[in-house]
Amino acid sequence: DVKVTQSSRYLVKRTGEKVFLECVQDMDHENMFWYRQDPGLGLRLIYFSYDVKMKEKGDIPEGYSVSREKKERFSLILESASTNQTSMYLCASSSNGPYEQYFGPGTRLTVT
Amino acid sequence: GNSVTQMEGPVTLSEEAFLTINCTYTATGYPSLFWYVQYPGEGLQLLLKATKADDKGSNKGFEATYRKETTSFHLEKGSVQVSDSAVYFCALKAGGGNKLTFGTGTQLKVEL
Repeated sequence: DVKVTQSSRYLVKRTGEKVFLECVQDMDHENMFWYRQDPGLGLRLIYFSYDVKMKEKGDIPEGYSVSREKKERFSLILESASTNQTSMYLCASSSNGPYEQYFGPGTRLTVT
Repeated sequence: GNSVTQMEGPVTLSEEAFLTINCTYTATGYPSLFWYVQYPGEGLQLLLKATKADDKGSNKGFEATYRKETTSFHLEKGSVQVSDSAVYFCALKAGGGNKLTFGTGTQLKVEL
């Protein structure tokens, strides 16, 4: 079974802190994704990566950056956390054909 | 651009009732279609998929048929259980990219 793990299930940070969310997949997938999930808005794509050191902006990249130094690991960085970044963050991975994505359990981030 | 429209929730049913969750899409070409399920406190799991017109995806008693003529992929189950209570997301992949486009999700509540 594909396994996608995220470093924390719950995280509380203060406004202005730098926040790192880590995601690791164990199936040698080429593609990795970061979403945020908010009530009424569904899933919104923040960034994705289709190869090591490659990244592309999704629909809402502002305030976020990413890093993919190894194929199995994809990090989401909030350079200076703000209260409007309080959300559920979901990581996913997929191979090139089939393209179905496999999700981690999510990190619920609260910024106070 | 590509888009997925799902019926608004929450949908509340009694146990053993018939379930339909509507999903329609707009996409270029011939997309692949997916249903994901998210149980409380968890990430999304792939429920079923269909990759070409008239395909039927099925899993755990759920079914959905890829209808190109109506651009729909409605999710059905003949007899729901309390354990089916979750949020259901319809999604598509179209074109040459590796991203999925998600609907906003439909919450299902099944009561005894």
